[in-house]
Order: sequence, then C-alpha cells, then structure tokens
Amino acid sequence: NAGVTQTPKFQVLKTGQSMTLQCAQDMNHNSMYWYRQDPGMGLRLIYYSASEGTTDKGEVPNGYNVSRLNKREFSLRLESAAPSQTSVYFCASRVTGNTGELFFGEGSRLTVL
Amino acid sequence: AQSVSQHNHHVILSEAASLELGCNYSYGGTVNLFWYVQYPGQHLQLLLKYFSGDPLVKGIKGFEAEFIKSKFSFNLRKPSVQWSDTAEYFCAVRDYGQNFVFGPGTRLSVLP
Repeated sequence: NAGVTQTPKFQVLKTGQSMTLQCAQDMNHNSMYWYRQDPGMGLRLIYYSASEGTTDKGEVPNGYNVSRLNKREFSLRLESAAPSQTSVYFCASRVTGNTGELFFGEGSRLTVL
Repeated sequence: AQSVSQHNHHVILSEAASLELGCNYSYGGTVNLFWYVQYPGQHLQLLLKYFSGDPLVKGIKGFEAEFIKSKFSFNLRKPSVQWSDTAEYFCAVRDYGQNFVFGPGTRLSVLP
C-alpha cells in the first residue's frame, strides 16, 4: 500500500527555471494538500484541493500553481524558481469530513541556486 | 486566522525521563487537534488526534495528550522516553474548512 507518493525526492534548480512536483495518492481521498517545511516555521500550506476540479490558496501561494489532474493526482508547479523557494515540500491527503487526519508523502527537497 | 504555538524549540532528555511538550492554539470554537512526529529524514506520521469526547487521548508508542478547552491547550506527554523517540514533534489544529495549521515544531533529543 503506497499511500501518498511524491516525485522527485530531490531537485536542484537554477533561479528562473521551472519545475513540477508530482503527487499521487491511492487511498481514494477527496482532499489533497501541498505544504512547505522550513526550519523553525513548521509546515505552511501552499495550496489545497477539497475535491477534484477545485483548488484554493493557502498561507503562502505566491510563486506556485497547482493542478488537480484527477482524484488521485495533485501537482505543484514553480514557474520561475527563486532561492526563497528552497524548502522541503510535502504533499498530503485526507478523507473529506470532520474526522480525517492528514496522510503525508515522504517529501521533496528542492534547492534553488 | 488560527495560529499554533509550541512552548519549546528543543528539548533534551535522558532515557526514562518523562516528557511533556506544550501546544496552544489561538482561538476556540470547535477544533480538531493533532500531534504528528517526524523522525530524521522521514515524513510526518500521526501520533494521536482529538475530535470530541474524552479530553485525554491515547496514541501510538505510549504517547498521550490532554485537551484543555479553557486553556486552548493540547499538551503531549509520555511517562518514559526512549532513545528511539528522538524526533521532531508538531502540533496541528483544524478549526473550520480544510486547512490544518501547524506549530513550528519541537525537536526532542533523547540521550542514551
């Protein structure tokens, strides 16, 4: 049972380059999330998708775009990477409703030079 | 907007010592509360959660947490820590909608 799968696990970019982080879940969850984790700041929500076809901004959406491709997949795109986007990115999913917790992927470590 | 604070940035304990990690959220109403653990190099895993009912919640690996509504707190406890508990611990709150708000984390180091 794979759970939440993220690719790539590591990526180094130059300033101005673009890339897409992929996330897929096999738990039939409706809601999917992208967080970034920075030292001393916990996890901050970038975007989330409550269901297929919907996306909403979180706390730190600037510089990012997302696509909810289908129920399983939720991608995060950096159109023009900046050093401030150096971070560890986590995808998560949950059952929609009042009692579902987040299930996390293993993270993608991105370095922007 | 909801915010979460965790009292300690880094806690260092010897094996068999008792642990209490503080967590406070900024405002009340109906909340769901969570503690997650992140072992070095790994993703976040759920330790325990509170939705309603008994405010004392038991989780995996001997952890428990107590929800005190009047204090907006959800402190994590373990009576006797082990070296394998070395990790970073995150408190999280979901109040309405879909967003989970996380605290900054507390790094726990357990000395053998």
